[in-house]
Amino acid sequence: QQQVKQSPQSLIVQKGGISIINCAYENTAFDYFPWYQQFPGKGPALLIAIRPDVSEKKEGRFTISFNKSAKQFSLHIMDSQPGDSATYFCAASSGYSTLTFGKGTMLLVSP
Amino acid sequence: GAVVSQHPSRVICKSGTSVKIECRSLDFQATTMFWYRQFPKQSLMLMATSNEGSKATYEQGVEKDKFLINHASLTLSTLTVTSAHPEDSSFYICSARRRQATPDTQYFGPGTRLTVL
Repeated sequence: QQQVKQSPQSLIVQKGGISIINCAYENTAFDYFPWYQQFPGKGPALLIAIRPDVSEKKEGRFTISFNKSAKQFSLHIMDSQPGDSATYFCAASSGYSTLTFGKGTMLLVSP
Repeated sequence: GAVVSQHPSRVICKSGTSVKIECRSLDFQATTMFWYRQFPKQSLMLMATSNEGSKATYEQGVEKDKFLINHASLTLSTLTVTSAHPEDSSFYICSARRRQATPDTQYFGPGTRLTVL
């Protein structure tokens, strides 16, 4: 049973637009929610992460919004650029547990 | 800091041969290393978790005798695919959990593309 559901599966955004990717989780024990960015043929790279004690975290053009009651979190990419075109994975874990990944979102930012 | 390397980046081998993939944490000590497998356009699938000096813990459905994992030091873990077959062709990625850091932070390597002919 998949514990982290990610949507959409793919996304096309115009340059300068806002990219939004959503994730929902089931396990209320999760207390760490990272987002990873992966380019073709490369390993995932940690982009930004949040813990449930805050509702939002911003780093540059990337923002995580977190809704604990709804068990949802999302990634917003402001002013999306063609270089942001990649696959994005949300994940969740608790303590020393392994990461549970979403299925990924392929983002294409058109010039 | 927190760089993880993998070697080789690509390997092509004949069916029936064994292939060893190395994962190194270059600038930190890793108490735990993880091995993942990723098929095209799919998510990462955890294969096993290895702690330095102890036996690896394999996920359900992953053959221990097929995928041998050795975590010999705090900076090196190896994955050996024994008697590889075409269905083992995949992208293998390791990650390392940094010692003396928050327990959930993992740093990923660049991956190894295995093609079995």
